[in-house]
Amino acid sequence: AQKVTQAQTEISVVEKEDVTLDCVYETRDTTYYLFWYKQPPSGELVFLIRRNSFDEQNEISGRYSWNFQKSTSSFNFTITASQVVDSAVYFCALKGGGSNYKLTFGKGTLLTVNP
Amino acid sequence: EAQVTQNPRYLITVTGKKLTVTCSQNMNHEYMSWYRQDPGLGLRQIYYSMNVEVTDKGDVPEGYKVSRKEKRNFPLILESPSPNQTSLYFCASSQRGSYYGYTFGSGTRLTVV
Repeated sequence: AQKVTQAQTEISVVEKEDVTLDCVYETRDTTYYLFWYKQPPSGELVFLIRRNSFDEQNEISGRYSWNFQKSTSSFNFTITASQVVDSAVYFCALKGGGSNYKLTFGKGTLLTVNP
Repeated sequence: EAQVTQNPRYLITVTGKKLTVTCSQNMNHEYMSWYRQDPGLGLRQIYYSMNVEVTDKGDVPEGYKVSRKEKRNFPLILESPSPNQTSLYFCASSQRGSYYGYTFGSGTRLTVV
């Protein structure tokens, strides 16, 4: 069975602080994909990144960066110089190689960036 | 524009009154799925469909039905809604294969009183 754990339920920071959202996953699949989604207060789910299990390179996109470490089964997400518009719920998700193609989500981390 | 369209966005209904939430995608995706989102529980899969006339249960299927008569449509049916089905519902579609992420609809906020 697949499992995604986001241990941080809520994080509150002041604008311009850096913040890291943790994600730990469990799967028996050798091929799998990891995702991060953002859910702003308006409620829609916004895709941020996909990473496959064979690619452990870290990725940076503007103020966002992702650290994938297979050895610790973690896929952490860092926002540098946070802004109020970053306030949202962030979900980490896992898609394995099974025939269901199911996306298993963590319970989400509510990030509040205060001015 | 490639999208998944859900309707309605908001719905308040009474216990026991049958309702249908529609979902339509214009990307010719084979795979479609329904999720519900509840505070503290994240998103959980209700049903999914691999193709026309092929549907199966997800993790929380009780109280729900689905059908897939056409590739583009995947309605979610609550035959006798109960208050514990008050939730935020998302429809999603994807090409088949683990590589592909989901395209999500905008969500339907359902309240059952």
